[in-house]
Amino acid sequence: AQTVTQSQPEMSVQEAETVTLSCTYDTSESDYYLFWYKQPPSRQMILVIRQEAYKQQNATENRFSVNFQKAAKSFSLKISDSQLGDAAMYFCAIPSGTYKYIFGTGTRLKVLA
Amino acid sequence: DVKVTQSSRYLVKRTGEKVFLECVQDMDHENMFWYRQDPGLGLRLIYFSYDVKMKEKGDIPEGYSVSREKKERFSLILESASTNQTSMYLCASSPGSYKLFFGEGSRLTVL
Repeated sequence: AQTVTQSQPEMSVQEAETVTLSCTYDTSESDYYLFWYKQPPSRQMILVIRQEAYKQQNATENRFSVNFQKAAKSFSLKISDSQLGDAAMYFCAIPSGTYKYIFGTGTRLKVLA
Repeated sequence: DVKVTQSSRYLVKRTGEKVFLECVQDMDHENMFWYRQDPGLGLRLIYFSYDVKMKEKGDIPEGYSVSREKKERFSLILESASTNQTSMYLCASSPGSYKLFFGEGSRLTVL
């Protein structure tokens, strides 16, 4: 069965600094996607970044990038030049079968001014 | 932009009441989902639907049922609400490209 583990319930970062959120997973699939979702306070969850497991190159979206270590089954999210608007819950997720997704327990990111 | 609209942001119900949570999406997506979000537990799948009138149980279906009579609408039903169903409920839709579009959530309190 697929599992997703986020071992950091809460993280803090100073504005303009860099922070890395950790995620490890387990899957029996050979080809799969990995996702990071962001849930700002009282707002809807949105997709931050997606990584395709068969691609060796790490995905990047502006200030957000991933460090994907397939052998270690690790998928961390790096946020550079952190901004106050980055404060949110962040969830790591992988698909499970055709329709389902497995989510981690989330990491609450605080950005300090 | 894709819009997923949940009918109520906040609800307060009494134990034993029947509760309806409604979700509407405007992008003709095949797949729709109901998740429950609790602190420290992340998101857990209650039910999902991959077509009109088609539904499948997720990981925690007990105490819940769903209805999908039209493609754009997916309803979650609590037949007899209990205090342990106090939670945040998230609806999502997907075109099948492994990207989920979420609603803003419905925070349900059962007294």
